[in-house]
Amino acid sequence: AQKVTQAQTEISVVEKEDVTLDCVYETRDTTYYLFWYKQPPSGELVFLIRRNSFDEQNEISGRYSWNFQKSTSSFNFTITASQVVDSAVYFCALSEEITGNQFYFGTGTSLTVIP
Amino acid sequence: DADVTQTPRNRITKTGKRIMLECSQTKGHDRMYWYRQDPGLGLRLIYYSFDVKDINKGEISDGYSVSRQAQAKFSLSLESAIPNQTALYFCATSDYGLAGGGTGELFFGEGSRLTVL
Repeated sequence: AQKVTQAQTEISVVEKEDVTLDCVYETRDTTYYLFWYKQPPSGELVFLIRRNSFDEQNEISGRYSWNFQKSTSSFNFTITASQVVDSAVYFCALSEEITGNQFYFGTGTSLTVIP
Repeated sequence: DADVTQTPRNRITKTGKRIMLECSQTKGHDRMYWYRQDPGLGLRLIYYSFDVKDINKGEISDGYSVSRQAQAKFSLSLESAIPNQTALYFCATSDYGLAGGGTGELFFGEGSRLTVL
């Protein structure tokens, strides 16, 4: 079974629109971490955020915000006022302590921001 | 300089050739990983190592082997490359997470793009 599901394969938005990337995870561990990584067209993987299972507080960083809800096993990522430079593939990932912190990645959401 | 360095960054080879991708890190982490990325499939774990003497298979280890030469070095080998091993390969490191007083974050190299003709 897929431990991390990113149901949105591709999203296109017009510049300045808000966009939310969905991430649903599955775990029986009580101690786990959730991550978002960005992969721009150049190919490198850029770390965006980490959340541990004991910290359900939402976070805002500039135009980026993250909504972590354990009740729905979701860790969604919102970009406000999107820009062309936000065009990239975004990966959600889960790391569980019970498996020695093995990482499970979603299949990614490709975001295209149209000028 | 990058904390996690992969060489080569790009490689084109022929079916049947032996290929080695090298990874070195300056993070001081014990844990190192090799991932493969294919379009639409995300990142899949090939092998991981939690210390120099501990090497484990990931979900897609067939056709690959690894060597952990030192804490800082973790190499991935394709003994006889085949075209469906054409992909982008990433090396990564991590600390022990919250239990070990760390962050649990994966630090990635810049990737090695391999094409097998």
